[in-house]
Amino acid sequence: SQQGEEDPQALSIQEGENATMNCSYKTSINNLQWYRQNSGRGLVHLILIRSNEREKHSGRLRVTLDTSKKSSSLLITASRAADTASYFCATGGLGGYQKVTFGTGTKLQVIP
Amino acid sequence: GAVVSQHPSRVICKSGTSVKIECRSLDFQATTMFWYRQFPKQSLMLMATSNEGSKATYEQGVEKDKFLINHASLTLSTLTVTSAHPEDSSFYICSAGIGTGAIKLFFGSGTQLSVL
Repeated sequence: SQQGEEDPQALSIQEGENATMNCSYKTSINNLQWYRQNSGRGLVHLILIRSNEREKHSGRLRVTLDTSKKSSSLLITASRAADTASYFCATGGLGGYQKVTFGTGTKLQVIP
Repeated sequence: GAVVSQHPSRVICKSGTSVKIECRSLDFQATTMFWYRQFPKQSLMLMATSNEGSKATYEQGVEKDKFLINHASLTLSTLTVTSAHPEDSSFYICSAGIGTGAIKLFFGSGTQLSVL
C-alpha cells in the first residue's frame, strides 16, 4: 500500500517562481526521499533526508522533514522549464529493510 | 552515479504470450532489486522485491505465478509476465538499492508493455 500522499496533485507556475510540494506519510520512517520522473521514464533520485534531520539542501532544492507531523516538503527555487516533471516522495522503513514506498506524486509544470 | 539498465523500453505483444523484462546494474552489485508497476498518471506500486539467489518477495495482491522474477546474479534481475492479457498493459520499472539503512534507489528507464 502507498505510504505517502503528496499535495498538490498538480502545480503550474511561471519560470523563476518557487515551487513547493508537500508529502504526508502514515508510519514511522527511517528516511524520506524525493524523486523526479519525466514522462514515460524512470525515476531519478533527488535528495534523501534521514529521520533525525530536519532540513537538507541540494542546489536549488530544499527539503524539510517534520516527523512529529509525519510530513515533508520539497522546495524548488527559481524554477526552470526543465524542472517540469512529476515529483514523488518515498519513505524508507525501519529496520534497515530496503523497502521504499512511494507517494502519489505531484505533477509540476513550469511555464517558460 | 550508479546506472541501472532496463530492456526493452517498449514491447507490444499478443494476448497469451509471455514477455521478459531485464534489469541490470551496470557498475555496481545489487543484492536487492525492486519491481514496480505504474499506471498512467499514478504512483509506483511495488510488486516484488528480488533477492539474488533466493525467491522474490511479492507484495499482497501480486500473483507470483503471473509475474515471475529471477535474480540469478548480482547484476541481473528479470521479470516475466506470463500469459499476458490486456489488463497487464502498464509501465514496469525496476530499481536497485545501494547500501543498508538509508536506501538510495537507482531506477531503470522503464518498460512500456502493451498487450493487444
